[in-house]
Amino acid sequence: GAVVSQHPSRVICKSGTSVKIECRSLDFQATTMFWYRQFPKQSLMLMATSNEGSKATYEQGVEKDKFLINHASLTLSTLTVTSAHPEDSSFYICSASSGGGGNSPLHFGNGTRLTVT
Amino acid sequence: GQNIDQPTEMTATEGAIVQINCTYQTSGFNGLFWYQQHAGEAPTFLSYNVLDGLEEKGRFSSFLSRSKGYSYLLLKELQMKDSASYLCAVSDSNYQLIWGAGTKLIIKP
Repeated sequence: GAVVSQHPSRVICKSGTSVKIECRSLDFQATTMFWYRQFPKQSLMLMATSNEGSKATYEQGVEKDKFLINHASLTLSTLTVTSAHPEDSSFYICSASSGGGGNSPLHFGNGTRLTVT
Repeated sequence: GQNIDQPTEMTATEGAIVQINCTYQTSGFNGLFWYQQHAGEAPTFLSYNVLDGLEEKGRFSSFLSRSKGYSYLLLKELQMKDSASYLCAVSDSNYQLIWGAGTKLIIKP
């Protein structure tokens, strides 16, 4: 089955530093990947749609200069949280669809638990 | 606006049956997904419905009524490992996924 690998699974960083999260599709090519954030006891919140070879599409309220997304290849997208603050502490999850249609199920990475101290 | 409603929390007994409902109002409809999410983990795909009716997959079944904007996930022969959150998500006219807040299912022995 389609596998999405996300790394790291947990990261603790100091306020003001930057953190990079990688998302890889291991056995399929993903022209589009999605980045979500989930706060405790809340639903998934789509942050941005990452498109291979072009700029990411950010959801309203998400700062593109703070959450840098790079999708340089068909199997890798990265999310960099720049100048992290404690309020950025959250569970970040990437996903991709292995199918060509927009109604194909998403396959999720295992998520990254970010804690900013 | 677009909206997905599902109960916040449900409790059921091991071995029993539970039905988790989901109602939606979206701009267009291109299918409804159910995902399971254990605490601290990423969601995993359970089912997809785009036509009316019941889709059965082992102990799990999912039902859709497009005219009513309604779906349910039915879990049979509940096991302790089924304790998780169950997320309902609808693909709208632009194939954007609209997510429900999830239903936390607690299984008691």
